[in-house]
Amino acid sequence: DSGVTQTPKHLITATGQRVTLRCSPRSGDLSVYWYQQSLDQGLQFLIQYYNGEERAKGNILERFSAQQFPDLHSELNLSSLELGDSALYFCASSDGGMRTQYFGPGTRLLVL
Amino acid sequence: SQQGEEDPQALSIQEGENATMNCSYKTSINNLQWYRQNSGRGLVHLILIRSNEREKHSGRLRVTLDTSKKSSSLLIMASRAADTASYFCATDAYTSYGKLTFGQGTILTVHP
Repeated sequence: DSGVTQTPKHLITATGQRVTLRCSPRSGDLSVYWYQQSLDQGLQFLIQYYNGEERAKGNILERFSAQQFPDLHSELNLSSLELGDSALYFCASSDGGMRTQYFGPGTRLLVL
Repeated sequence: SQQGEEDPQALSIQEGENATMNCSYKTSINNLQWYRQNSGRGLVHLILIRSNEREKHSGRLRVTLDTSKKSSSLLIMASRAADTASYFCATDAYTSYGKLTFGQGTILTVHP
């Protein structure tokens, strides 16, 4: 158990819908990272937050957005969903020092 | 794009044998991390090696890093059936603010 929690574990929705994925980092970790894992793209970095502020952006679509709240949990919002958004979405956290990132169990999103 | 590229893509061995996986990357890094993923589940952090380190050990794992060749290797000694998983290298580049760039992974199968 990495100490990072993600909800929900599974999500099935339809094209055009909007979903919210939630992540709680390890106690004391200020950085939260979101990654997407799909068969064709592999593991791709989406976005990073540090203590509530956006720190870095990767291959994140404009239909996707995220935020980190004062209690340090983070949410990833995916809107206007397409079939190709079906993937595993991981959240990771780190203390920013050693930069070891600890991953949550992921949310498996299926868009039908 | 995937900075870390793993080799081989798949490896099949018998229990008790050693397994070696290689990773190459393209840019200067702060550190390189290895992760294990069991069948679509979460990523488990195995080991982190910093750019100024050449070799690191953790239990049955040995990681080497050659920054001049921009490559790393992961050796799993005396493998067990439970080591069957996908293994990913991930690089943390100097200007990345900690975001990780993953390779495509090596699928390791250990036969009992």
